[in-house]
This record gives sequence, C-alpha cells and structure tokens, in this order.
Amino acid sequence: AQSVTQPDIHITVSEGASLELRCNYSYGATPYLFWYVQSPGQGLQLLLKYFSGDTLVQGIKGFEAEFKRSQSSFNLRKPSVHWSDAAEYFCAVGFSGGYNKLIFGAGTRLAVHP
Amino acid sequence: NAGVTQTPKFRILKIGQSMTLQCTQDMNHNYMYWYRQDPGMGLKLIYYSVGAGITDKGEVPNGYNVSRSTTEDFPLRLELAAPSQTSVYFCASSYQGLNSPLHFGNGTRLTVT
Repeated sequence: AQSVTQPDIHITVSEGASLELRCNYSYGATPYLFWYVQSPGQGLQLLLKYFSGDTLVQGIKGFEAEFKRSQSSFNLRKPSVHWSDAAEYFCAVGFSGGYNKLIFGAGTRLAVHP
Repeated sequence: NAGVTQTPKFRILKIGQSMTLQCTQDMNHNYMYWYRQDPGMGLKLIYYSVGAGITDKGEVPNGYNVSRSTTEDFPLRLELAAPSQTSVYFCASSYQGLNSPLHFGNGTRLTVT
C-alpha cells in the first residue's frame, strides 16, 4: 500500500543553523512529491514540488529538496533557518493511476530557538 | 484576491446535530478537495471533485456528504455529528489535480460534544 512517513514529529534548531526534514514514501513507481508548510491557524502553502527531471528542486523561502529514488526519499533542506520558519511541515505524495489524491505525512513541527 | 474561502472558522456541535461547512473558490479551479486534520495524523482526504456535478470518496468519507453544483462551491455536510468528527477541516482546490499545487483555505475548527 502507498504510504508516506515523516520520522521526526518535532525538531528544534537554533536560528542560523541548517535544517533537514525527512520524508520517505512507499510506492512502486516515481510519484509526484510535494512539501507544504502550515503556519499556526492557517491553511497549507506549497513550498516546492518534484515531478521529474533534476532531482534537486528549489522552492520558496530558500528551501530545497532532493529526490533520491534508491532511498524512496524526498528530504527538505535549508542552509540557514530563520525564526519565521517555525511552522509545521508536511510531505505529500501524489500517486497516479486514475485516483487524483495526495497522501500526506503526519507532519514535522519545527521550533526555532533565537 | 480571495482564493479559497471557508466558513465558519469555528463551530461547536452537539452529538446528532447536522451542519454544512462552506467552501468557495474564485480561481476557476476544476478540482476541489475536503481534508480533515487530526493531531499527529496529517491530512486525510474525505471527498474530492474533479468538476461540477462529479464527486468521489477519499480515504475517510463515512459520516460526510458533498455536492458540487457549481465550479466555485464545494460544501461538506455532516448529517449526524459524532465526537469522532471533532477535527480541523480544510478545503482545497487545484487547477489540474496531481500535477498542480493545492490552494488551501484557512480551515474550520469543529468540536462535537
């Protein structure tokens, strides 16, 4: 069955430190891959997406993500975290085959220390 | 520049009551979705629609109904509210399904007591 796993429920980093949020999926083919961010009391906003091509994709707010087929992973990275990056981050995986849906991971809550 | 608008923002229901969560979008998107978000569980798809007059079940449709009479509106109906339906509900839309990003509303926080 298709599934999406975000192993880290909560991460705390210091402002200016680098960040990597993990995402793994289970699927037989290459899916569509997304990262969304949710600020408190808000809906989700798309950070970046991967469909095909270059496996390193750039997104908004200085985020990037790398698709690694061999590891079934799509980890999100940022070289230097800002206090405003504190939010919840969701990895989402789209599976084709006539069922137009995304499966979301459980989310990783990021706290940023000054 | 409204995007996806959900009403109400908050609601408290008693067990057995019914209500409709409203969702409207002004981007002329064909695809619309209803998700529920529970702590530590991510978002689960309740229903989705690929165009006016077409709806289909998602992962957790039981206890809910939807309709899509216009491109703009996609209301979610709870007929007999149960405590298990306490959640935050998000409506989203997209232009072309999987290969276009979802645009989310700000959510409706529903409590059933």
